[in-house]
Amino acid sequence: DSGVTQTPKHLITATGQRVTLRCSPRSGDLSVYWYQQSLDQGLQFLIQYYNGEERAKGNILERFSAQQFPDLHSELNLSSLELGDSALYFCASSARAFPDTQYFGPGTRLTVL
Amino acid sequence: GQQLNQSPQSMFIQEGEDVSMNCTSSSIFNTWLWYKQEPGEGPVLLIALYKAGELTSNGRLTAQFGITRKDSFLNISASIPSDVGIYFCAGQYNFNKFYFGSGTKLNVKP
Repeated sequence: DSGVTQTPKHLITATGQRVTLRCSPRSGDLSVYWYQQSLDQGLQFLIQYYNGEERAKGNILERFSAQQFPDLHSELNLSSLELGDSALYFCASSARAFPDTQYFGPGTRLTVL
Repeated sequence: GQQLNQSPQSMFIQEGEDVSMNCTSSSIFNTWLWYKQEPGEGPVLLIALYKAGELTSNGRLTAQFGITRKDSFLNISASIPSDVGIYFCAGQYNFNKFYFGSGTKLNVKP
């Protein structure tokens, strides 16, 4: 158990809808990272937050947004969903601002029908 | 741009054999990490390396941070069926960049 929690574990929704994925980092970690992993693909970095502020951006679509709250949990919002958004979404956390040893949550599997 | 090359892409081995995989980069890395991912699960950190030349073991796994700081390898000795999964290298470069390799898919035949 990495100490990173993600909810929900599975999410099935329809095209055009909006969903919110939630992540709680390990106790004491200030950075949260979001990754997307499509079938048989590697991990695509989406965005990093550190202590409530956006720190780094990767290949995140404009339809996607994220935030980190004062209690350090983070939410990833995906809107106007398309079939191609079906993927595993992972959250990871680390202690510091710059990307360092990251611990991953179990992921949320999103299926868009 | 930065490239992180991981090889081999996949391996099919017999139980009991040793395994070796590596990652190379075009830039100097400050940290090298090795993760294992099983289907439908999140990557699990196996070994973290922070210094050039560092050799670290975790059970049957051994990883090294290359002297040039541009490469790292992971060895698994006496493989067993539960070693099956995808192994990712990852590294931090320039203190602000973090990259994952494309993964090595390991299959172990009992």
